[in-house]
Amino acid sequence: KQEVTQIPAALSVPEGENLVLNCSFTDSAIYNLQWFRQDPGKGLTSLLLIQSSQREQTSGRLNASLDKSSGRSTLYIAASQPGDSATYLCAVWVGKLIFGTGTLLAVQP
Amino acid sequence: NAGVTQTPKFQVLKTGQSMTLQCAQDMNHEYMSWYRQDPGMGLRLIHYSVGAGITDQGEVPNGYNVSRSTTEDFPLRLLSAAPSQTSVYFCASSWTSGSTDTQYFGPGTRLTVL
Repeated sequence: KQEVTQIPAALSVPEGENLVLNCSFTDSAIYNLQWFRQDPGKGLTSLLLIQSSQREQTSGRLNASLDKSSGRSTLYIAASQPGDSATYLCAVWVGKLIFGTGTLLAVQP
Repeated sequence: NAGVTQTPKFQVLKTGQSMTLQCAQDMNHEYMSWYRQDPGMGLRLIHYSVGAGITDQGEVPNGYNVSRSTTEDFPLRLLSAAPSQTSVYFCASSWTSGSTDTQYFGPGTRLTVL
């Protein structure tokens, strides 16, 4: 059974710091991996999608990597800002999305 | 485009009542799905649909029914609400179930069952 884990569950950093969020999955048979952002009381917003054949994707200050063989993905956020404060969720697509429980990020001004 | 819309935003039910959570999308997406989000458990798939007239069960389907009569709408029915169904419900859609298709989520419905 596919399981997705995100560590740490919560993270607090000062503004301007570069940071890495981790995601691991137990079964490498995935079609893609997606990173989402969720603000309190809101829905999920897609940040990056990495297909299983890709190693990384970039969007602005965000860079996501995928190592399917080791079952790991990282989301790198450069020069963090208070507006980046949110919960970050990773999910693997196997014909349906299987989510991790998220990392709650707080960027302190 | 309005994207994925959900109504209502909030709902309180008594045990045993029934209701329908509405979900609509205006992007002509074939794939639609329902998730529930509970503290410490993440989002779990309830039901999904790969096109009008086609639905299937997800990870936690018990107590929920769905139908897909049009491409745009994918309502979720609670037949006899139970306190265990207290949760936040999200509807999502994508162009297809392909590997390149981003999932778009609605704003959610917060349901409390007393």
